[in-house]
Amino acid sequence: KQEVTQIPAALSVPEGENLVLNCSFTDSAIYNLQWFRQDPGKGLTSLLLIQSSQREQTSGRLNASLDKSSGRSTLYIAASQPGDSATYLCAVRRGETSGSRLTFGEGTQLTVNP
Amino acid sequence: KAGVTQTPRYLIKTRGQQVTLSCSPISGHRSVSWYQQTPGQGLQFLFEYFSETQRNKGNFPGRFSGRQFSNSRSEMNVSTLELGDSALYLCASSRSSGLAGILGEQFFGPGTRLTVL
Repeated sequence: KQEVTQIPAALSVPEGENLVLNCSFTDSAIYNLQWFRQDPGKGLTSLLLIQSSQREQTSGRLNASLDKSSGRSTLYIAASQPGDSATYLCAVRRGETSGSRLTFGEGTQLTVNP
Repeated sequence: KAGVTQTPRYLIKTRGQQVTLSCSPISGHRSVSWYQQTPGQGLQFLFEYFSETQRNKGNFPGRFSGRQFSNSRSEMNVSTLELGDSALYLCASSRSSGLAGILGEQFFGPGTRLTVL
């Protein structure tokens, strides 16, 4: 059974700092990994999708890396801003076709202080 | 392009009642998944539908059911509500290709907040 762990559970940083969020998974046989952001009481917003054949993806100030063999992914946020405050979730998908679910970590709650 | 929409956004029910939640996927997306989110259990997979067929089901009792219509819209139903069913119910859709439904990036709706009293 796939298990996804995110460390740390919570993180508080001053504005402008670069930071790294970690995600690890127990079964390396994944099809892709997706990072999401969730604001309080809201749905999930997709940030980045990395296919198993890729090493990293970038979008603006966000960079996600994937090391499938070691079961790890990191989300790097450059020059953090108060608007980045949210819970960040990673999720892995085992198979490529319908019928394959996303398995989520518990999330990292990020607070960026002005 | 409109995102995933869910109705209603908020629901208050009492124990023993039943409830139906609705999800409209992004236009062109044929795969719809449902998740339950609670503070204690996090995000738990409920089921996934593709081409009107349930392709996968999570570890939830039979009180939880769903269906998908020919236009890819989906509904989920919870019968005989219990206090523990209080949660945020999230729907997600994915573009899929081919007959097997090879999945792309998953996009989530805003959720339906269900409170059971």
